[in-house]
Amino acid sequence: QSVLTQPPSVSGAPGQRVTISCTGSDSNIGAGYDVHWYQQLPGTAPKLLIYDNSNRPSGVPDRFSGSRSGTSASLAITGLQAEDETDYYCQSYDSGLSGWVFGGGTKLTVL
Amino acid sequence: EVQLVESGGGLVQPGGSLRLSCAASGFTVRVNYMNWVRQAPGKGLEWVSAFYSGGNTYYADSVKGRFTISRDSSRNTVYLQMDSLRAEDTAVYYCARESNWNDGMDVWGKGTTVTVSS
Repeated sequence: QSVLTQPPSVSGAPGQRVTISCTGSDSNIGAGYDVHWYQQLPGTAPKLLIYDNSNRPSGVPDRFSGSRSGTSASLAITGLQAEDETDYYCQSYDSGLSGWVFGGGTKLTVL
Repeated sequence: EVQLVESGGGLVQPGGSLRLSCAASGFTVRVNYMNWVRQAPGKGLEWVSAFYSGGNTYYADSVKGRFTISRDSSRNTVYLQMDSLRAEDTAVYYCARESNWNDGMDVWGKGTTVTVSS
């Protein structure tokens, strides 16, 4: 069971907007530690998608956005495209564990 | 080009040992935070260990006392010594860089596969 909780799956039609939630606790997200999001295509290494809650690395489309509030964070994807169909993970720091923690991952299906 | 290349994975019996290597190019491991992250077959990502730029090391509870992370600045390489391996350590092991603490892991290697089985 992951320290950060994500829905196992979400889906949306092409062009629609979807959100993926990441719920933590007072020892990680709620303590103010930044949240990062990764996209992992099948058979490849994860790719940093959003860092420090809401910042996009160079080259990431502005269709992807992130936010953090309280003990949770969210990843939003607008204008869904077929190529967005893959796995997404959130990550933060946990002071109780003195280390990084990941969410269990969410599989996005584009209908 | 900024790049990480892992090596050293393979098949090992339970109780055995392996040493993974992560060779960096295009940047200096000494001034970055270097991590090992693993992914068991069909499962999610799990942080394993970190070597901070200041020299401190950290481990997930699941590997504490069995795995040791180290750094060779002259070779610009980070290592993960894995002892007392268990079946549940079977995974793809990725090396990943953080440029600054808690700024996200922005560079990843392609991973090396470790299989623990008799």
